[in-house]
Amino acid sequence: NAGVTQTPKFQVLKTGQSMTLQCAQDMNHEYMSWYRQDPGMGLRLIHYSVGAGITDQGEVPNGYNVSRSTTEDFPLRLLSAAPSQTSVYFCASRRKGSAYGYTFGSGTRLTVV
Amino acid sequence: AQSVTQLGSHVSVSEGALVLLRCNYSSSVPPYLFWYVQYPNQGLQLLLKYTTGATLVKGINGFEAEFKKSETSFHLTKPSAHMSDAAEYFCAVSDVRGAQKLVFGQGTRLTINP
Repeated sequence: NAGVTQTPKFQVLKTGQSMTLQCAQDMNHEYMSWYRQDPGMGLRLIHYSVGAGITDQGEVPNGYNVSRSTTEDFPLRLLSAAPSQTSVYFCASRRKGSAYGYTFGSGTRLTVV
Repeated sequence: AQSVTQLGSHVSVSEGALVLLRCNYSSSVPPYLFWYVQYPNQGLQLLLKYTTGATLVKGINGFEAEFKKSETSFHLTKPSAHMSDAAEYFCAVSDVRGAQKLVFGQGTRLTINP
Protein backbone atom coordinates (compact mmCIF):
# COMPACT_ATOMS: atom_id res chain seq x y z
CA ASN A 1 0.00 0.00 0.00
CA ALA A 2 2.71 2.50 -1.02
CA GLY A 3 0.49 5.13 -2.71
CA VAL A 4 2.58 7.86 -4.36
CA THR A 5 6.34 7.51 -3.90
CA GLN A 6 8.73 10.37 -4.58
CA THR A 7 12.50 10.17 -4.68
CA PRO A 8 14.75 11.70 -3.57
CA LYS A 9 13.37 13.41 -0.45
CA PHE A 10 16.11 16.03 -0.42
CA GLN A 11 18.47 17.30 -3.12
CA VAL A 12 20.98 20.11 -3.47
CA LEU A 13 21.97 21.13 -7.00
CA LYS A 14 24.37 23.64 -8.41
CA THR A 15 23.09 26.18 -10.89
CA GLY A 16 23.10 24.67 -14.37
CA GLN A 17 22.98 21.04 -13.28
CA SER A 18 20.24 18.74 -14.45
CA MET A 19 18.32 16.12 -12.54
CA THR A 20 15.16 14.06 -12.55
CA LEU A 21 12.66 13.89 -9.72
CA GLN A 22 11.02 10.50 -9.66
CA CYS A 23 7.36 9.79 -8.99
CA ALA A 24 5.67 6.41 -8.97
CA GLN A 25 2.18 5.32 -7.98
CA ASP A 26 0.83 1.83 -7.51
CA MET A 27 -2.90 2.61 -7.52
CA ASN A 28 -3.40 2.41 -11.30
CA HIS A 29 -4.42 6.07 -11.35
CA GLU A 30 -4.89 7.65 -14.76
CA TYR A 31 -4.18 11.24 -13.75
CA MET A 32 -0.84 12.46 -12.41
CA SER A 33 0.44 15.95 -11.68
CA TRP A 34 3.49 17.82 -10.47
CA TYR A 35 3.17 20.82 -8.17
CA ARG A 36 5.68 23.12 -6.59
CA GLN A 37 5.08 24.67 -3.18
CA ASP A 38 6.57 28.01 -2.24
CA PRO A 39 5.91 29.99 0.97
CA GLY A 40 2.79 32.13 0.76
CA MET A 41 1.93 30.91 -2.73
CA GLY A 42 0.17 27.63 -2.13
CA LEU A 43 0.79 24.91 -4.68
CA ARG A 44 1.20 25.70 -8.34
CA LEU A 45 0.73 23.20 -11.14
CA ILE A 46 3.82 22.53 -13.26
CA HIS A 47 2.75 19.71 -15.60
CA TYR A 48 0.06 17.09 -15.63
CA SER A 49 -0.87 13.90 -17.45
CA VAL A 50 -4.23 12.25 -18.08
CA GLY A 51 -2.72 8.95 -19.18
CA ALA A 52 0.35 7.22 -20.58
CA GLY A 53 1.74 9.19 -23.51
CA ILE A 54 -0.34 12.31 -22.75
CA THR A 55 1.08 15.33 -20.93
CA ASP A 56 0.25 19.01 -20.80
CA GLN A 57 1.54 22.20 -19.22
CA GLY A 58 0.23 23.71 -16.05
CA GLU A 59 0.64 27.17 -14.61
CA VAL A 60 4.45 27.24 -14.24
CA PRO A 61 6.00 24.84 -16.81
CA ASN A 62 9.12 26.79 -17.81
CA GLY A 63 12.36 25.00 -16.99
CA TYR A 64 10.70 21.61 -16.51
CA ASN A 65 10.03 18.65 -18.78
CA VAL A 66 7.89 15.57 -18.20
CA SER A 67 7.05 12.35 -19.96
CA ARG A 68 4.64 9.53 -19.15
CA SER A 69 5.66 6.26 -20.74
CA THR A 70 3.79 4.09 -18.23
CA THR A 71 0.72 4.53 -16.06
CA GLU A 72 2.83 4.17 -12.92
CA ASP A 73 5.66 6.65 -13.49
CA PHE A 74 5.72 10.40 -14.07
CA PRO A 75 9.26 11.83 -13.77
CA LEU A 76 9.97 15.56 -13.68
CA ARG A 77 13.18 16.75 -15.35
CA LEU A 78 15.04 19.95 -14.60
CA LEU A 79 17.26 20.57 -17.62
CA SER A 80 19.39 23.41 -16.24
CA ALA A 81 18.64 24.19 -12.62
CA ALA A 82 18.24 27.78 -11.48
CA PRO A 83 17.96 29.23 -7.95
CA SER A 84 14.34 30.18 -8.73
CA GLN A 85 13.59 26.45 -8.85
CA THR A 86 14.40 26.06 -5.17
CA SER A 87 11.14 24.71 -3.82
CA VAL A 88 9.30 21.69 -2.48
CA TYR A 89 7.94 19.51 -5.26
CA PHE A 90 4.89 17.31 -4.90
CA CYS A 91 3.67 14.61 -7.20
CA ALA A 92 0.00 13.63 -7.03
CA SER A 93 -2.26 11.10 -8.69
CA ARG A 94 -5.95 10.28 -8.85
CA ARG A 95 -8.44 8.11 -10.62
CA LYS A 96 -10.17 9.34 -13.74
CA GLY A 97 -13.52 10.86 -12.85
CA SER A 98 -13.90 14.32 -11.46
CA ALA A 99 -15.30 13.30 -8.09
CA TYR A 100 -12.00 11.94 -6.90
CA GLY A 101 -9.43 13.87 -4.94
CA TYR A 102 -5.70 13.66 -5.54
CA THR A 103 -3.34 11.52 -3.47
CA PHE A 104 -0.08 13.32 -2.80
CA GLY A 105 3.44 12.05 -2.31
CA SER A 106 5.55 13.23 0.62
CA GLY A 107 7.52 15.69 -1.48
CA THR A 108 11.06 16.44 -2.66
CA ARG A 109 12.82 19.42 -1.12
CA LEU A 110 15.14 20.89 -3.78
CA THR A 111 17.73 23.58 -3.18
CA VAL A 112 19.60 25.14 -6.08
CA VAL A 113 22.75 27.05 -5.11
CA ALA B 1 -9.92 31.30 -14.98
CA GLN B 2 -10.45 29.81 -11.58
CA SER B 3 -8.92 31.21 -8.41
CA VAL B 4 -9.03 30.65 -4.67
CA THR B 5 -8.57 33.15 -1.87
CA GLN B 6 -7.97 32.00 1.68
CA LEU B 7 -8.55 34.80 4.17
CA GLY B 8 -5.83 34.86 6.80
CA SER B 9 -2.44 33.23 6.29
CA HIS B 10 -2.30 32.47 10.03
CA VAL B 11 -5.14 31.59 12.38
CA SER B 12 -4.67 30.92 16.07
CA VAL B 13 -7.33 29.42 18.35
CA SER B 14 -7.41 27.95 21.83
CA GLU B 15 -7.81 24.24 22.38
CA GLY B 16 -11.53 23.46 22.52
CA ALA B 17 -12.54 26.59 20.59
CA LEU B 18 -14.26 26.76 17.22
CA VAL B 19 -12.04 26.54 14.17
CA LEU B 20 -13.10 28.60 11.13
CA LEU B 21 -10.88 28.77 8.05
CA ARG B 22 -12.21 30.90 5.23
CA CYS B 23 -12.10 30.11 1.53
CA ASN B 24 -13.64 32.02 -1.37
CA TYR B 25 -13.39 30.90 -4.95
CA SER B 26 -13.91 32.26 -8.41
CA SER B 27 -15.20 29.99 -11.15
CA SER B 28 -17.25 30.55 -14.29
CA VAL B 29 -18.70 27.04 -14.14
CA PRO B 30 -19.94 24.92 -11.23
CA PRO B 31 -16.91 24.16 -9.12
CA TYR B 32 -15.56 21.14 -7.38
CA LEU B 33 -14.07 22.22 -4.05
CA PHE B 34 -11.52 20.57 -1.80
CA TRP B 35 -9.80 21.10 1.52
CA TYR B 36 -6.41 19.54 2.11
CA VAL B 37 -4.31 19.44 5.29
CA GLN B 38 -0.52 19.39 5.42
CA TYR B 39 1.31 18.38 8.58
CA PRO B 40 4.96 19.46 8.94
CA ASN B 41 7.30 17.83 6.43
CA GLN B 42 4.52 15.77 4.91
CA GLY B 43 2.45 15.74 1.75
CA LEU B 44 -1.13 16.91 1.48
CA GLN B 45 -4.00 14.81 2.76
CA LEU B 46 -7.56 15.20 1.55
CA LEU B 47 -9.86 16.42 4.34
CA LEU B 48 -13.12 16.68 2.40
CA LYS B 49 -14.55 17.54 -0.98
CA TYR B 50 -17.70 18.95 -2.56
CA THR B 51 -18.63 17.82 -6.05
CA THR B 52 -22.43 17.65 -6.29
CA GLY B 53 -25.36 17.04 -3.96
CA ALA B 54 -25.49 18.05 -0.31
CA THR B 55 -23.81 21.39 0.29
CA LEU B 56 -22.71 20.54 3.84
CA VAL B 57 -19.81 18.15 3.55
CA LYS B 58 -18.31 16.20 6.42
CA GLY B 59 -14.69 15.12 6.37
CA ILE B 60 -12.11 13.40 8.47
CA ASN B 61 -11.05 14.42 11.98
CA GLY B 62 -14.36 16.18 12.73
CA PHE B 63 -14.02 18.86 10.04
CA GLU B 64 -16.86 20.00 7.82
CA ALA B 65 -17.40 22.64 5.15
CA GLU B 66 -20.43 24.22 3.53
CA PHE B 67 -20.63 25.16 -0.13
CA LYS B 68 -22.47 28.49 -0.48
CA LYS B 69 -22.91 29.32 -4.13
CA SER B 70 -24.40 32.77 -3.48
CA GLU B 71 -21.34 33.74 -1.43
CA THR B 72 -18.83 31.76 -3.56
CA SER B 73 -17.48 30.35 -0.31
CA PHE B 74 -16.40 27.01 1.07
CA HIS B 75 -15.37 27.71 4.67
CA LEU B 76 -13.89 24.94 6.81
CA THR B 77 -15.07 24.50 10.41
CA LYS B 78 -14.54 22.27 13.40
CA PRO B 79 -16.55 22.79 16.61
CA SER B 80 -13.74 22.06 19.06
CA ALA B 81 -10.05 22.41 18.22
CA HIS B 82 -7.54 19.80 19.28
CA MET B 83 -3.79 20.21 19.56
CA SER B 84 -3.35 17.67 16.76
CA ASP B 85 -5.20 20.00 14.36
CA ALA B 86 -2.16 22.29 14.16
CA ALA B 87 -1.17 22.20 10.48
CA GLU B 88 -1.45 24.11 7.23
CA TYR B 89 -4.75 23.95 5.39
CA PHE B 90 -5.28 24.47 1.69
CA CYS B 91 -8.50 25.13 -0.18
CA ALA B 92 -8.57 24.10 -3.85
CA VAL B 93 -10.97 24.33 -6.78
CA SER B 94 -11.42 22.48 -10.02
CA ASP B 95 -14.39 21.89 -12.34
CA VAL B 96 -15.77 19.16 -14.51
CA ARG B 97 -14.12 20.58 -17.62
CA GLY B 98 -10.63 20.75 -16.18
CA ALA B 99 -10.92 18.29 -13.38
CA GLN B 100 -7.32 17.19 -13.69
CA LYS B 101 -6.21 20.67 -12.67
CA LEU B 102 -6.47 21.80 -9.09
CA VAL B 103 -6.01 25.48 -8.32
CA PHE B 104 -4.90 26.03 -4.72
CA GLY B 105 -5.24 28.90 -2.33
CA GLN B 106 -2.15 30.21 -0.60
CA GLY B 107 -2.80 28.23 2.57
CA THR B 108 -3.71 29.01 6.18
CA ARG B 109 -1.48 27.93 9.02
CA LEU B 110 -3.55 26.91 12.05
CA THR B 111 -1.99 27.19 15.50
CA ILE B 112 -3.68 25.71 18.56
CA ASN B 113 -2.97 27.32 21.93
CA PRO B 114 -3.16 25.15 25.06
